[in-house]
Formats: sequence, structure tokens, C-alpha cells
Amino acid sequence: AQTVTQSQPEMSVQEAETVTLSCTYDTSESDYYLFWYKQPPSRQMILVIRQEAYKQQNATENRFSVNFQKAAKSFSLKISDSQLGDAAMYFCAYRSYYITQGGSEKLVFGKGMKLTVNP
Amino acid sequence: GAGVSQSPSNKVTEKGKDVELRCDPISGHTALYWYRQSLGQGLEFLIYFQGNSAPDKSGLPSDRFSAERTGGSVSTLTIQRTQQEDSAVYLCASSSSGGYNSEFFGPGTRLTVL
Repeated sequence: AQTVTQSQPEMSVQEAETVTLSCTYDTSESDYYLFWYKQPPSRQMILVIRQEAYKQQNATENRFSVNFQKAAKSFSLKISDSQLGDAAMYFCAYRSYYITQGGSEKLVFGKGMKLTVNP
Repeated sequence: GAGVSQSPSNKVTEKGKDVELRCDPISGHTALYWYRQSLGQGLEFLIYFQGNSAPDKSGLPSDRFSAERTGGSVSTLTIQRTQQEDSAVYLCASSSSGGYNSEFFGPGTRLTVL
């Protein structure tokens, strides 16, 4: 079974600075998808960025980018020019590319990391 | 609707009572998921519906938990004889059909069992 580990439960960053959130995962599969979700106090999970494992190019979405190291099974999220609105819980998640019979396309989540942005 | 909606937003119940949680997915989304988020934990998969296929119930923690999806749209998660350890936020999500398509989440139902 796949597992996702976020080893840092909390981080803080100064507004306008850059912060990197770490995520590692364990899988025997060669193809899969990786996601970062943000959960503000409203509880609404919001997709931040996603990556296909067969793509070597790191995904970017405006101020958000990832450092995907497939061999190391690492998927870190970099937030540039941090804003107060970035304060939230951040979850790393994994989805299998191939679905086994009777299985599903569920997401496997890490335990999350709380990001505080200081003005 | 524009997004995934869930009701109620909050539910307080007494131990031993049954509860029903409702999820309205985004129109046209064939995949629907239920997750549970306990305090300080990540999201734990409960059940998955995809079109007319048999649901993947592998994440349901006990036979007190069940879910149905009527007409390929609205879903209800039922917890019978609630226990204090069932207290959590229950999140519903829908997607076009997984894969690279991301899941769109609802705001969740916070269940408190006294």
C-alpha cells in the first residue's frame, strides 16, 4: 500500500518570503499522480498543484511550484512571495495511475502541515 | 450547483444514535468520494462511487458505516449506533473520473458524538 509522509507538522514564514513544504511517499508503482491541497479554516480542500509522475518537468502554478524527485520519492512544494492568504493546512496526496480490479481512484493523504504566515 | 455541497454543516449527536450525512456533487461528475478527517490527522478514505460500478467500500471502518448514491448524483453516508471515536469532519468530493482530474471537495460536515 502507498503511504505519504509529511514530516513537518508546522512551519512559519514571513510575508513575501519563500517557504518549502516537504513530502515523501512510498510506492512500488512507476506511474502515479501527486497533488498538493490547501485547507484553510473554512475546511474547504482546494487543489494547489498536481504532477504526473511520468513527466520530468516540475509543475508550476503562479507562485507555487514543486520539486519532484522521482528516484527519491520526494514531492516538495515551494511557495514564493508568501501572502497572508496562504496560511492554511497543506496536504500532500498520492493517486495510483493504474486502478486494480475492484479498486478505486482514491487519494492517499499525508497528515498535513500547518503553515503560518507572519506579517 | 457550482460546487460540492454537504449538509448539515455541523451535527451533534448522542452516543448510540444514527446519523445521516448528505453530499451533493458537482453536476456531471461521475466519481464521488467520502473521506474522514479526524483531529490532527490527514484524510482517511472511506468509500468511492463511480458511475454504475459497484462502489469501493474498502475504507469503511466498520459495518456501522454505509453509504449510497442515488441516481448517480446525491450520496448519503450513514453511521449507525455512533461512537465517540466517530467524531470527525466528513468530507465529500467529486470528480470527472479521477486520474489526473483533481477532486473537488465540499466544505465537510463536522460530527460530534457526545
